[in-house]
Amino acid sequence: AQSVTQLGSHVSVSEGALVLLRCNYSSSVPPYLFWYVQYPNQGLQLLLKYTTGATLVKGINGFEAEFKKSETSFHLTKPSAHMSDAAEYFCAVSAYGGSQGNLIFGKGTKLSVKP
Amino acid sequence: ETGVTQSPTHLIKTRGQQVTLRCSSQSGHNTVSWYQQALGQGPQFIFQYYREEENGRGNFPPRFSGLQFPNYSSELNVNALELDDSALYLCASTTGLLQETQYFGPGTRLLVL
Repeated sequence: AQSVTQLGSHVSVSEGALVLLRCNYSSSVPPYLFWYVQYPNQGLQLLLKYTTGATLVKGINGFEAEFKKSETSFHLTKPSAHMSDAAEYFCAVSAYGGSQGNLIFGKGTKLSVKP
Repeated sequence: ETGVTQSPTHLIKTRGQQVTLRCSSQSGHNTVSWYQQALGQGPQFIFQYYREEENGRGNFPPRFSGLQFPNYSSELNVNALELDDSALYLCASTTGLLQETQYFGPGTRLLVL
């Protein structure tokens, strides 16, 4: 069975500071991994995904994540936070190694950005 | 915007009633998944439809049921509503091909009183 753990339900950073949101996964098959962002009262928007190949994945809005199999991690980073990055971020793993059958989500990390 | 639309945006029901939520998938997508997102939680998979057939189900009771139509739009039906069914219901569409992204709609917020 697959599962996702997001460390820290709430992260606060200053504008211009590094953003680091942590995600660890458990999967019995090679995982597909995703980061989604959710703004208040909106649906989920894909930031980036890892399927196969290069382990450093670049996404939208300057975010990137690195798949580390040995650490079962897929942490999300952004070098310099912007006020518009304030939102909730969800890490997800696909339930099957080779399909988009369904996504297993973490509980989310709410990112606050201080001016 | 993803091209996935959901209706209604908000809904208030009372315990024991039935509700139908609708989702129009993105053009070219034949696979729709439904998720329930309770307050303060991540989305939880309810079920998926591929070419009008159920193609996987999460840990939800049978009173949660669905349909997918020939145009690939979809409905989620919930019978005998309970207070704990209050949540944001999200649908996501995809082509169904391997590695393809699921695109989410804005959701329907259901409140059960």
